[in-house]
Amino acid sequence: QVQVVQSGAEVKKPGASVKVSCTALGYSFTGYYLHWVRRAPGQGLEWVGWINPNNGATSYAQKFQGRVTMTRDTSIRTVYMDLSSLRSDDTAIYYCARDRAIAGATLSFDAFDVWGSGTMVTVSS
Amino acid sequence: SYVLTQSPSVSVAPGQTASIACEGNNIASKSVHWYQQKPGQAPVLVVYDDRDRPSGIPERFSGSKSAKAATLTISRVEAGDEADYYCQVWDSSSDHHVVFGGGTKLTVL
Repeated sequence: QVQVVQSGAEVKKPGASVKVSCTALGYSFTGYYLHWVRRAPGQGLEWVGWINPNNGATSYAQKFQGRVTMTRDTSIRTVYMDLSSLRSDDTAIYYCARDRAIAGATLSFDAFDVWGSGTMVTVSS
Repeated sequence: SYVLTQSPSVSVAPGQTASIACEGNNIASKSVHWYQQKPGQAPVLVVYDDRDRPSGIPERFSGSKSAKAATLTISRVEAGDEADYYCQVWDSSSDHHVVFGGGTKLTVL
């Protein structure tokens, strides 16, 4: 069964960092981009960035550049999102989602067809 | 950066048709995707590439696009369709970023 499985909920203090993982199961890990999307309380979906699990290439939304790092470990089919200098407004559910597009030589993206169940990150003093 | 605009809310009676619009500059040149998100659940893809449906999505969900806007249409609306709906595109002109609309809350009266 094709799925992405995320790590559990986190509670962090302002200024700290959080690292959330996403493990791909049932498909070619290096074949598809993975994205991170968040939803804060009372807000809509917000794209954070993507990673190409094949070569580790990344792209981040302007809002998060300098604070977010996405990495992968191909040996365990897992990607990570590390968000630093946490603020209270980073409190949100963070989702990992697979892109339908093949991660090939040409950058091209499509819809997100497989989503994780989400990881709740709470930032509170 | 690219912006997608959605109305915050739409209300419709059961059995009627709901239309949810998504506007963006030169949207005709982009592939538009739609997601449904119910409370406490992850988003679900309901339409991709403007008008295609993933397997398992009822035919009641359909997508279309004009020069100015993309539209998600839900026919014969059911109580279980009450959810937030988001449109999304890939903006190839800005470092290959992804953009979501602000979302539309569908209320079934």
